[in-house]
Amino acid sequence: QQPVQSPQAVILREGEDAVINCSSSKALYSVHWYRQKHGEAPVFLMILLKGGEQKGHEKISASFNEKKQQSSLYLTASQLSYSGTYFCGTESPGSNYQLIWGAGTKLIIKP
Amino acid sequence: GAGVSQSPRYKVTKRGQDVALRCDPISGHVSLYWYRQALGQGPEFLTYFNYEAQQDKSGLPNDRFSAERPEGSISTLTIQRTEQRDSAMYRCASSLASGAGGPDTQYFGPGTRLTVL
Repeated sequence: QQPVQSPQAVILREGEDAVINCSSSKALYSVHWYRQKHGEAPVFLMILLKGGEQKGHEKISASFNEKKQQSSLYLTASQLSYSGTYFCGTESPGSNYQLIWGAGTKLIIKP
Repeated sequence: GAGVSQSPRYKVTKRGQDVALRCDPISGHVSLYWYRQALGQGPEFLTYFNYEAQQDKSGLPNDRFSAERPEGSISTLTIQRTEQRDSAMYRCASSLASGAGGPDTQYFGPGTRLTVL
């Protein structure tokens, strides 16, 4: 079942902060975050693993609440280059390493 | 180094024709994934390979879809007797790890935009 992302879209002014959420109805082993700009391929941002390990981007932070089966991506002091659609991909135990992707959160940064 | 490449980038075909979409992963990457992505939506899993072995094909919509990776590198996704509903962006991704050691970063290709008339 597809994870639910919220909000669906957000508009910010440059320098403002944003939080994007990803919630699953299944137990999670890991959460992957990607950003996709219009007409381009998704680009890796971060992996959060059960147990607290993180691998990813220096300027972006994220949290992973295993009990609540949720992850949040924190974008601080947003820049124009942060614009795009953010996707979370979730991996559950027994999923055979398959990622199930959310529908995305569209982020628009205005100068 | 070179990223994941896909060809063709655009394919327009008539209903009923067969199409073959090619994915060339990053050199040395063990795992290769095929996704379908509708406009404004996240990737939809189709199938994946570790080396030449197809590990999971549960996402293939029906038996008109098949994929192979005979030498553990380049992969081909074939759609037989195409239908208009097959029109979409088809993306592949590759990752270094086989998955057995845990999840790994997937690097996506630019995609093939398939239009079935």
